[in-house]
Amino acid sequence: NAGVMQNPRHLVRRRGQEARLRCSPMKGHSHVYWYRQLPEEGLKFMVYLQKENIIDESGMPKERFSAEFPKEGPSILRIQQVVRGDSAAYFCASSPAAGPEQYFGPGTRLTVT
Amino acid sequence: GQQVMQIPQYQHVQEGEDFTTYCNSSTTLSNIQWYKQRPGGHPVFLIQLVKSGEVKKQKRLTFQFGEAKKNSSLHITATQTTDVGTYFCAGGGNNRLAFGKGNQVVVIP
Repeated sequence: NAGVMQNPRHLVRRRGQEARLRCSPMKGHSHVYWYRQLPEEGLKFMVYLQKENIIDESGMPKERFSAEFPKEGPSILRIQQVVRGDSAAYFCASSPAAGPEQYFGPGTRLTVT
Repeated sequence: GQQVMQIPQYQHVQEGEDFTTYCNSSTTLSNIQWYKQRPGGHPVFLIQLVKSGEVKKQKRLTFQFGEAKKNSSLHITATQTTDVGTYFCAGGGNNRLAFGKGNQVVVIP
């Protein structure tokens, strides 16, 4: 059973470009969570999605950031017009149901130059 | 919003010794989870505590949830080099986890 997949693992973008981060949850998991981690910091919740629905986006910046989890395909975290402050590790996690144990992917390390 | 604080932020532990890391919340938690993240890696779930005063053991690791469900601790005995990493606690509730900043543990051989 493959774990949570994220790609790319490393992404370099220039200021003003768009970044697209993909997350495929574990098989059988319909709940996806995105977190951001700055160096030597904890993980900050961004958004919680189920298939075709955003359940909780209270941790998502109001501008430039969006997330989706379509009926088919991976969940996408999209950052438009990236700035240096967006440089971080972005982790996706999935669970078979809401609440308990979350399984994390390897993360995407975004660097904005 | 829910906040969890972890102390200490950093620990240097001699191999073979014991250490404890603590997690405190400003509000009562429905549950608490502990994760471990190796350097350059991703968080890996260790355990979830739900009941007031609950104590769970995993080999050399002992997890405790306070009576008031506002604090938790992780105690590791006979530290090994494989214990290196950052230990996070996370308060659960409303389908989102509030993570502490973590306790970064360095093991000295």
